Amino acid sequence: EAGVTQFPSHSVIEKGQTVTLRCDPISGHDNLYWYRRVMGKEIKFLLHFVKESKQDESGMPNNRFLAERTGGTYSTLKVQPAELEDSGVYFCASSQGTGVHEKLFFGSGTQLSVL
Amino acid sequence: AQSVTQPDIHITVSEGASLELRCNYSYGATPYLFWYVQSPGQGLQLLLKYFSGDTLVQGIKGFEAEFKRSQSSFNLRKPSVHWSDAAEYFCAVGPSGYSTLTFGKGTMLLVSP
Repeated sequence: EAGVTQFPSHSVIEKGQTVTLRCDPISGHDNLYWYRRVMGKEIKFLLHFVKESKQDESGMPNNRFLAERTGGTYSTLKVQPAELEDSGVYFCASSQGTGVHEKLFFGSGTQLSVL
Repeated sequence: AQSVTQPDIHITVSEGASLELRCNYSYGATPYLFWYVQSPGQGLQLLLKYFSGDTLVQGIKGFEAEFKRSQSSFNLRKPSVHWSDAAEYFCAVGPSGYSTLTFGKGTMLLVSP
């Protein structure tokens, strides 16, 4: 069974440019999460989709970040325009349900560097 | 709001020696606690979790952790470290199980020969 897949694994862009990160969850997983780790800091929750709906987007830092999950399958996270402080590792995770015992599966992350 | 503190940024352990990684949490109710590991180029992998019951929990790869409510701690232990254990370890707390986790800053484990 394929795990959570993230594209690209690395992205280097200049300040002001746009970048789109993609996450393919495990097939059949309705729940999809985005997390981010800025260098030297904690991994922080960004948002949670249930199918195509945003269940919780309380962690999104500002309106330069747009997450979508059309059709309830893969998700994209767009940063426009990118700023230096957006650099970090963006993790995606998925789970089948949201119950207490529903295990979360993480992708290997996208390393974003904004120069 | 909940928070997690991992006081050690880096730890170096000799292969075969015992390991303890510290984790303290702040949370108003009974927490759901987790330890994850990230090896280079890999995603976060769940090592173990505590939800309720026995305060000593066993995980994969020979790891265990003990929940101590009085100390607000959930330290990770392994009796004998292998070179393949070199990785970054994250402690996390979740108010409702796995979703919306709050992570610590991580501890990088280096294993010396």
